Amino acid sequence: NAGVTQTPKFQVLKTGQSMTLQCAQDMNHNSMYWYRQDPGMGLRLIYYSASEGTTDKGEVPNGYNVSRLNKREFSLRLESAAPSQTSVYFCASSVNRRHNEQFFGPGTRLTVL
Amino acid sequence: GENVEQHPSTLSVQEGDSAVIKCTYSDSASNYFPWYKQELGKRPQLIIDIRSNVGEKKDQRIAVTLNKTAKHFSLHITETQPEDSAVYFCAAIEADSWGKLQFGAGTQVVVTP
Repeated sequence: NAGVTQTPKFQVLKTGQSMTLQCAQDMNHNSMYWYRQDPGMGLRLIYYSASEGTTDKGEVPNGYNVSRLNKREFSLRLESAAPSQTSVYFCASSVNRRHNEQFFGPGTRLTVL
Repeated sequence: GENVEQHPSTLSVQEGDSAVIKCTYSDSASNYFPWYKQELGKRPQLIIDIRSNVGEKKDQRIAVTLNKTAKHFSLHITETQPEDSAVYFCAAIEADSWGKLQFGAGTQVVVTP
């Protein structure tokens, strides 16, 4: 079991460029999440998917879109990157809403110049 | 929504001493409180969690206590070791949500030999 995997590990973008962060899990989990981590601010939820076919906004959704491609994969897209989106992005998954432990991926470090 | 505050932001302890991190939450309906440990450059990993029908839970050198009336919970690490140095995050689940966690801002723990 690889658990939760993310690609890429590192990315540098110029302002205005677009990119998609990929996340996959092989634990047959129903729920998946995207967080961003900034110094001194903990982990903030961007979007989540309670189950295949559903997505909802979290605390900081502006500037992002998501796709729950299937049960395994949940991608995060930046349509027009801004320097304020420089952060470390973590994907996570959990079994379902009743089994709450979230398992995190290794993270993607994104820099927007 | 849920709001979680975490103190202190940094904690320096001598090896062998105890460390205590405290968190408060705002939603009295929250019923799940995990603690995550994040080593430098790594992903957050669950170290212990507690549900609101339990007042205390222990796992070797770590313990978590929950006071539902006061809406606060604490992480206790005894006999600290250098490998306990990391950032620790508390979290609380948003009541009636699909597993959404609200994280505290984190505590940087440094254990000095």
